[in-house]
Amino acid sequence: KQEVTQIPAALSVPEGENLVLNCSFTDSAIYNLQWFRQDPGKGLTSLLLIQSSQREQTSGRLNASLDKSSGRSTLYIAASQPGDSATYLCAVRETYNTDKLIFGTGTRLQVFP
Amino acid sequence: NAGVTQTPKFRVLKTGQSMTLLCAQDMNHEYMYWYRQDPGMGLRLIHYSVGEGTTAKGEVPDGYNVSRLKKQNFLLGLESAAPSQTSVYFCASRTGHGYTFGSGTRLTVV
Repeated sequence: KQEVTQIPAALSVPEGENLVLNCSFTDSAIYNLQWFRQDPGKGLTSLLLIQSSQREQTSGRLNASLDKSSGRSTLYIAASQPGDSATYLCAVRETYNTDKLIFGTGTRLQVFP
Repeated sequence: NAGVTQTPKFRVLKTGQSMTLLCAQDMNHEYMYWYRQDPGMGLRLIHYSVGEGTTAKGEVPDGYNVSRLKKQNFLLGLESAAPSQTSVYFCASRTGHGYTFGSGTRLTVV
């Protein structure tokens, strides 16, 4: 059974720092991996999607990498800002059941001025 | 505005009561999903649908039923609510790789 784990569970940093959020999964047979952002009381917003054949994706200050063989993905946030404060979730779609997303437990990020 | 709309946003139920959560999308997406989110456990899939008239069980389907009579609507029913069903419920729809999530329904069962 696929299990997705995110470390750390919570992170508090001063503005301007570069951050790395980690996501690990137990079964490397994935179709793709997505990173989402969730603001309090809101739904999820997709940030980056990495196909299984890709190594990384970039959008603005965000960069996500994927190492399928080791079952890991990282989300790098450059020059963090208070507006980045949110919960970040990673989720995988498995190769043999692409109908479903399996989510990690999330990393709650606070960036203070 | 295009997107996924969940109704209601908040609800308090007594144990044993029933209710239906409504999810509506106006993007003509084939796939729709119901998730629940509990502290420390991430989002877990309850039921999903790959098209109008279809439903399938997810990871935690017990105590819930769903229907997809119209493509744009996906209903989640609780026949006899239990305190263990206290949670935040999210609906999502998908086309291709892109998921769109609703803003959630916070349900408390007392």
